[in-house]
Amino acid sequence: AAGVIQSPRHLIKEKRETATLKCYPIPRHDTVYWYQQGPGQDPQFLISFYEKMQSDKGSIPDRFSAQQFSDYHSELNMSSLELGDSALYFCASSWDRVSGNTIYFGEGSWLTVV
Amino acid sequence: AQTVTQSQPEMSVQEAETVTLSCTYDTSESDYYLFWYKQPPSRQMILVIRQEAYKQQNATENRFSVNFQKAAKSFSLKISDSQLGDAAMYFCAYRGDTSGGGADGLTFGKGTHLIIQP
Repeated sequence: AAGVIQSPRHLIKEKRETATLKCYPIPRHDTVYWYQQGPGQDPQFLISFYEKMQSDKGSIPDRFSAQQFSDYHSELNMSSLELGDSALYFCASSWDRVSGNTIYFGEGSWLTVV
Repeated sequence: AQTVTQSQPEMSVQEAETVTLSCTYDTSESDYYLFWYKQPPSRQMILVIRQEAYKQQNATENRFSVNFQKAAKSFSLKISDSQLGDAAMYFCAYRGDTSGGGADGLTFGKGTHLIIQP
């Protein structure tokens, strides 16, 4: 079965640079989520989109922005990168026309800021 | 706001034995969903099991089962016949009802690191 696809899987950037992560949800899924997981931490919710509209915002820094496109793929843009942004970034998707459907995660994108 | 608490930072079990991971949560909602996710060293987040709050019957997936106590707001995971491949971080997660539309995400506990002793 198709899964959530994230790219790139690994990314190394310098401080103050910009990074863009891409996510392709499972086909037919209408909701996309972005999570950030630092070392030894639980995943922290950043932002979500339902039917291409921003739905909920978590602890997303102002330096970060995201959008969902007409084909349902999503991009997370991170600017003015800081060392503390080094983390594993998960994209996840679900089919929320049916309430409470399970959220499935991609394999994550590792961002290292040096 | 909902909170999820996993009181066991680390658990250890002998291979082939049974282990139970604890999870409690706090919510004022009556309809919601609870999940256990497994994160092995590869850091992939893998769904283990899911429970709908409106269902009294405890969910079961092969060697994995839950003990869902709605009144006590408790949602423990039992792993039977533990295998070396079960070694991972286990996260308990809560999701509110999305029947009204929208994108209610997951609230995670801090995780329990499960060690399997050969």
